[in-house]
This record gives sequence, structure tokens and C-alpha cells, in this order.
Amino acid sequence: GAVVSQHPSWVICKSGTSVKIECRSLDFQATTMFWYRQFPKQSLMLMATSNEGSKATYEQGVEKDKFLINHASLTLSTLTVTSAHPEDSSFYICSARDRRGYHNEQFFGPGTRLTVL
Amino acid sequence: GESVGLHLPTLSVQEGDNSIINCAYSNSASDYFIWYKQESGKGPQFIIDIRSNMDKRQGQRVTVLLNKTVKHLSLQIAATQPGDSAVYFCAENISSGGAGKSTFGDGTTLTVKP
Repeated sequence: GAVVSQHPSWVICKSGTSVKIECRSLDFQATTMFWYRQFPKQSLMLMATSNEGSKATYEQGVEKDKFLINHASLTLSTLTVTSAHPEDSSFYICSARDRRGYHNEQFFGPGTRLTVL
Repeated sequence: GESVGLHLPTLSVQEGDNSIINCAYSNSASDYFIWYKQESGKGPQFIIDIRSNMDKRQGQRVTVLLNKTVKHLSLQIAATQPGDSAVYFCAENISSGGAGKSTFGDGTTLTVKP
């Protein structure tokens, strides 16, 4: 149980295009999902908290107009990187909290590797 | 802002030895701590967690120790195996008012030599 998937697993796009990444909780409902970004040999940096049915909460320094987050259902959150540039190339990871879970345990997706040319 | 850091960026151990990975945290309000294992190109994998009302918790081959006095967390891996080679992160969390979000440390790369 507690499986989180991401799609696509990797994507290559041209500079200036937009890319959408999906995060799904496959066997549980997630009222809250989190989006992280990880550069090579660095830690995970939280970008935003996505709450089902409401606006996402962005961390300081993260442009909300560039990284659009939609959490339309209890099993799906999407991250859209708009007008992507090479500096946006990174490993994007989502996590989800089980609404029935204790503590604040998060289940992580496998990540999406974004390369912007 | 508050951060969680690790003392050592890399750790190399011989197969069969015990490994100890350390973590220092700075937010005294944190009350829930998690250790994750991340293999190359994959998402973090939950290993073990501990709440602040405990100072030790054991799992299968792993033990987490929490010292709130000095804000220190450690992960002990018994009989380390080649499959344990990965990057290990500690993360801190505030249960109430923290929206459930975790702050990750810098990570320690564990290499197990056969």
C-alpha cells in the first residue's frame, strides 16, 4: 500500500515550453501533497504544499506563476513548469500524506527528471 | 530559516560492519523525525521515524536515536550490506502548525565496500 506514482518519469523539452508533471496516490487518498526539487548531489528542497480543493502554499523564493500547482482531486496533483529554461532542469519529486495516516508520514513518488535544452 | 544538517557528507564502511549516520537539527519545535534512503535516480524511501517523546526506536537492522538536549539524531544500520549503499537524509517535521511539511538535511552518501 501507500504507493505514489509520477508521470512522466523523465522529460526533455525546449526552452520556453511548458511541462506538466503528474503525481498520483494510487491506493490512498491524499488531502495534502508536497512538491520538491532536487539538484544533483543536493538535498530535497520543498517548493510548495498542495492542498486538495484550495490554492497551493509556496515556499519563500519559489515563483508561483512559474510553477503552477493544481490539486483537483484527492489522488492527483499536477505541477506545471511554465516557460521552462535550462536552470529549471532538475529532479522533481512529489510526496503525499495519507489522510488516514498518523503523524505526518509522507509517501514519495519516484521523481521526474526534467531537462530543458 | 531553520535547517537540518548532517555532520558528514560521505561514509564508507566494510560489508558486515555497523554504520552510524548523524544528523543535527536546529528547530527546537520539531517533534517528528524521519530517516530516508535515496538511491540514484529514485525518490526517497522511508526507513524509520521517531517522535520527540522517544529517544530510541528500532526497526529491522536499523535504530534511530534522538537526543533532544543537543538536537542530534542518528541512524544506526547493523550488518551493513551492499544494498544499503545510497544517500541517507534525515528530515524534521512539526506536527502541529507545520502543515506536515518536512525539512530535509543535506544527506550522507553511504558506500558499502564488499
